[in-house]
Order: sequence, then structure tokens, then C-alpha cells
Amino acid sequence: DTEVTQTPKHLVMGMTNKKSLKCEQHMGHRAMYWYKQKAKKPPELMFVYSYEKLSINESVPSRFSPECPNSSLLNLHLHALQPEDSALYLCASSQTLSSPTNEQFFGPGTRLTVL
Amino acid sequence: KQEVTQIPAALSVPEGENLVLNCSFTDSAIYNLQWFRQDPGKGLTSLLLIQSSQREQTSGRLNASLDKSSGRSTLYIAASQPGDSATYLCAARTGNQFYFGTGTSLTVIP
Repeated sequence: DTEVTQTPKHLVMGMTNKKSLKCEQHMGHRAMYWYKQKAKKPPELMFVYSYEKLSINESVPSRFSPECPNSSLLNLHLHALQPEDSALYLCASSQTLSSPTNEQFFGPGTRLTVL
Repeated sequence: KQEVTQIPAALSVPEGENLVLNCSFTDSAIYNLQWFRQDPGKGLTSLLLIQSSQREQTSGRLNASLDKSSGRSTLYIAASQPGDSATYLCAARTGNQFYFGTGTSLTVIP
């Protein structure tokens, strides 16, 4: 199984809502990533978890809160978002963070619209 | 900070042509370079990964090369097909950071 799944596929939320994005992989990978991608732009790294610990936080606003409850799951909790946060949110995983041979596998993404 | 550039930004070719996509990076101290394709509104599909110690990787009609000293990677697609139409992205890993290029939008005309 070389699949990364993400739910929901689409999400529309108001600026006062609280919602969560979910990501799951069953490849035994110990590194998981969140990226944000605006239209016609490359993905931008947000967070990296390594062995369920937050390793990288790319100065992301606190209205985005990541969580890695176990080695297969990665969540992104959203609260008080702004319309400019509307984007495609991509999850990825790789075997580990430290090995230079690691290939990243991406999920299909969640299309988020903030009204 | 690593900067990754892809030229051209868009490319249109007739079916059957061989083509080359380019990826340039400013910091040669990379661990690896990975090529992806992305269909509109979708996630990224991994195509090839080249480790820093390798010169090239092949998968089917795809061949990727890496020249660290010149800061370049190329993706060669042989006998292009309409199903190859997508955006192609390269990503250079430097330390624990991943830097994506701006992408090349490829259209293969039947």
C-alpha cells in the first residue's frame, strides 16, 4: 500500500469556524509533512513531524495547529482562518526524515475555501 | 536559501515528440532531487528520485539526470503522449528542507 489518504476532499468554512484536516498512511513511514499550495504556485512546506514529534515549523501562524496522534495519522486543526488561507493543503510522508534516499509520497489534498 | 527554478514555465508539443524539462538550483549541497507530476487540482505523483551520489534514474519513458556541480537536473520524456499533459515539479532537498521549483506546465497535443 503506497497510498496517502486525506479527508475531506473539499472544505468550506467561515472565519469563526473550527475544523480539522486529516491525513493517513499505512506504509510504516515515520516522517509526515503538511504543505500549502496556492493556485499556480509550488507547494510550500508548513510542518514536518519525525517519529511523531514536530521537527519543523516554517513560521506558520498559530491559527494552524498540527497534531500527530500516532505514526499513521496527521491532523491539521484550523481556527479563525482568513480568506487568504484558502488553498490546496497537501499531506506527504516518507520513510524517515534523516535518510537522503527518502522519497516523498503525497496525498490528493484538501481544497479549503475560507469565506 | 535554496532557490529552484524551472524553465520553461509552459511547453506545448505534438504527440510523439521527445522533450526535456529543466530544473536549476542555487545550492549544490542537496541530498536528493525528486521529480513529480501534478494534474490540475490534484496531489503530487512521484516520478523519480535521484540521490546526490547518482547521475541519473530511469523509469519507463522517463529519464532524470542530475549535475550537482552545475546545479541542474533534467527530466527527459520519450515519445510523449496526451496523458503526459500535467504540471511537472522538481524538488531539491537541502538538509531537512524541501524546496520546490515553479513547475513546467506540459501540454501534449494529439
